[in-house]
Amino acid sequence: DTGVSQDPRHKITKRGQNVTFRCDPISEHNRLYWYRQTLGQGPEFLTYFQNEAQLEKSRLLSDRFSAERPKGSFSTLEIQRTEQGDSAMYLCASSLGQMGFYTFGSGTRLTVV
Amino acid sequence: DQQVKQNSPSLSVQEGRISILNCDYTNSMFDYFLWYKKYPAEGPTFLISISSIKDKNEDGRFTVFLNKSAKHLSLHIVPSQPGDSAVYFCAANRQRDDKIIFGKGTRLHILP
Repeated sequence: DTGVSQDPRHKITKRGQNVTFRCDPISEHNRLYWYRQTLGQGPEFLTYFQNEAQLEKSRLLSDRFSAERPKGSFSTLEIQRTEQGDSAMYLCASSLGQMGFYTFGSGTRLTVV
Repeated sequence: DQQVKQNSPSLSVQEGRISILNCDYTNSMFDYFLWYKKYPAEGPTFLISISSIKDKNEDGRFTVFLNKSAKHLSLHIVPSQPGDSAVYFCAANRQRDDKIIFGKGTRLHILP
């Protein structure tokens, strides 16, 4: 297992377009998290899944954002009608449920122009 | 509002000396604290943690100290090595919450 994989690594999109990111967690990990990091800030929680169930969503996650984890394996994060304020690093992490012991992917850097 | 605060954006330390990174928190319900390390173009990696029932946890060159009454924790790295140059995030959570809350990070530069 090579760890948590995120695809793409970089995405440049025009304002108003939709984008989708993919995260492949460590296979035996049942929990999957999405965080967003902007310049000078720490990672901010967006949402998390236990298996296929989405258990919590942050207030940061507007209705333009949707995340799925079909069959409790990989996850996708979609942003509709992107805005310049969506430009950030989107980080995915997975864990076996142990408190806070996350394995992060390298992230997807989104630039909205 | 920031529940986990790292007030020093950056810190420079001579190689071989001790690095001390500080973190304050405001939520008294936090009962687990973690430090993550991040290199450029990589995701954060878990470094060390401490439960609120302890006041110290040590792992090799890394020691985390927790002062619950002051709502303060610190990470000590001794001796500091060039590979320790990175951004360090303090993080915290509550047992009944699964997510962790991160501070803004401190960039550590180890000087030759």
